[in-house]
Amino acid sequence: DTAVSQTPKYLVTQMGNDKSIKCEQNLGHDTMYWYKQDSKKFLKIMFSYNNKELIINETVPNRFSPKSPDKAHLNLHINSLELGDSAVYFCASVDRDRNSPLHFGNGTRLTVT
Amino acid sequence: AQSVTQPDIHITVSEGASLELRCNYSYGATPYLFWYVQSPGQGLQLLLKYFSGDTLVQGIKGFEAEFKRSQSSFNLRKPSVHWSDAAEYFCAVVPFGNEKLTFGTGTRLTIIP
Repeated sequence: DTAVSQTPKYLVTQMGNDKSIKCEQNLGHDTMYWYKQDSKKFLKIMFSYNNKELIINETVPNRFSPKSPDKAHLNLHINSLELGDSAVYFCASVDRDRNSPLHFGNGTRLTVT
Repeated sequence: AQSVTQPDIHITVSEGASLELRCNYSYGATPYLFWYVQSPGQGLQLLLKYFSGDTLVQGIKGFEAEFKRSQSSFNLRKPSVHWSDAAEYFCAVVPFGNEKLTFGTGTRLTIIP
C-alpha cells in the first residue's frame, strides 16, 4: 500500500564505496524527484525526472547519477562516496499535470564513515 | 533573490496553547504554497496547500494557514496544540511556471506539558 517506497531505509558505508538507493511509486505519477536533507534539516532538490526524462539537475557532483528505468522508478547511484554525502535522501513523486502536491517516501539515511 | 523564509528555527509551546508558524516568500508572482510536517525519523507529510481562491486554507490535523499577498506570507496556525504535534514543519513553494518545490529551512516545534 505504500505510495512512495525507498530502499534501503538505512545505509552505512565507507568512503570511496559506490552505493545505490532505489525508489518506487505506485501512484501513477509522471514526475519523480530526489531531495537531500542535511544534518540541519535543510531540504534541497537534487534531480527531477518526468516520464523517464531528466528535467531538473541542480548543481550536484557528477558522482551522483540518477536513473529512471520507467516512470514508476527513480534510482540514485552514488560513486566514490565522501563523508559529506552523509544525509537523508528523500524520493518524491507528483502528477505534474494536475498540480498535485509532492508525495514523499520515508527517506534513506546514508552514513559515510 | 527568490526564496522562502521561516524566521523561527525553534518554537516551544505548551500543550493546549495556540500556535503560529511564520513563512514568507519573495517571488514576483504568487507561487503555489505548501506546509509539510516531518515527524522524527519520518518522511514529509502534506498538511495543506494554497493554489488560489480562499486565502484561509484548512488542512489535516486541525491546522490552517492564511495567505496574505500584501505581506507575502503563508503562516500556519493551530488553535490548540497536542503533544503529538511536536515535529519539524516546512513551508514550501513552487514558483509560478516552475517545476521545483523549494523548501524553507524548517521550524522545529517542541511541546511542553
